[in-house]
Amino acid sequence: DAKTTQPTSMDCAEGRAANLPCNHSTISGNEYVYWYRQIHSQGPQYIIHGLKNNETNEMASLIITEDRKSSTLILPHATLRDTAVYYCIVRVGGSQGNLIFGKGTKLSVKP
Amino acid sequence: GAVVSQHPSWVICKSGTSVKIECRSLDFQATTMFWYRQFPKQSLMLMATSNEGSKATYEQGVEKDKFLINHASLTLSTLTVTSAHPEDSSFYICSARGHSRGASGPDTQYFGPGTRLTVL
Repeated sequence: DAKTTQPTSMDCAEGRAANLPCNHSTISGNEYVYWYRQIHSQGPQYIIHGLKNNETNEMASLIITEDRKSSTLILPHATLRDTAVYYCIVRVGGSQGNLIFGKGTKLSVKP
Repeated sequence: GAVVSQHPSWVICKSGTSVKIECRSLDFQATTMFWYRQFPKQSLMLMATSNEGSKATYEQGVEKDKFLINHASLTLSTLTVTSAHPEDSSFYICSARGHSRGASGPDTQYFGPGTRLTVL
């Protein structure tokens, strides 16, 4: 079973920051948090991952709370093409663990 | 990020026939490959995991004799749906993990674009 809880859906205005929350209160010390997104009828796209520290790449930022029980994915300037289902996944089993998908958050970016 | 391809992107077949789907890692060696299935309006469900040269490990409830997986090389895995029936109609997605040169690290899993299977 997925170890994360995400809101079912969110809306965001185009050009604004999209902040997608994720709760993972049962996360263990060596488990990473991964974020993927799936645009309709496509395979999931890797966004970012982290363990303890905040992370940033060209796509997004990942903010992980100090107790690691929750995290937030930030898309700094959302565009219409960012409309997708966003999955927050805790990879169980360390670096060789599998990705088990939950239901994700459907983000709708509106003009 | 690393690139994973799938072929075909869609296939329609008659009930009782077998269908083979190919998954390739184009720019890295995939030590582990994964097969997922996704029904409409549902999330991805992991079907099986395979390491190059080894037999696949199937998730509970997935019939290994129906969904044949071959991970023959570090860049190729195939999924064969044998004696397909309409209830096997789904979106099949492969994923690969290995020694990518990408900045995301060697343990990141990359996904193919998916194959839409329709069984009539």
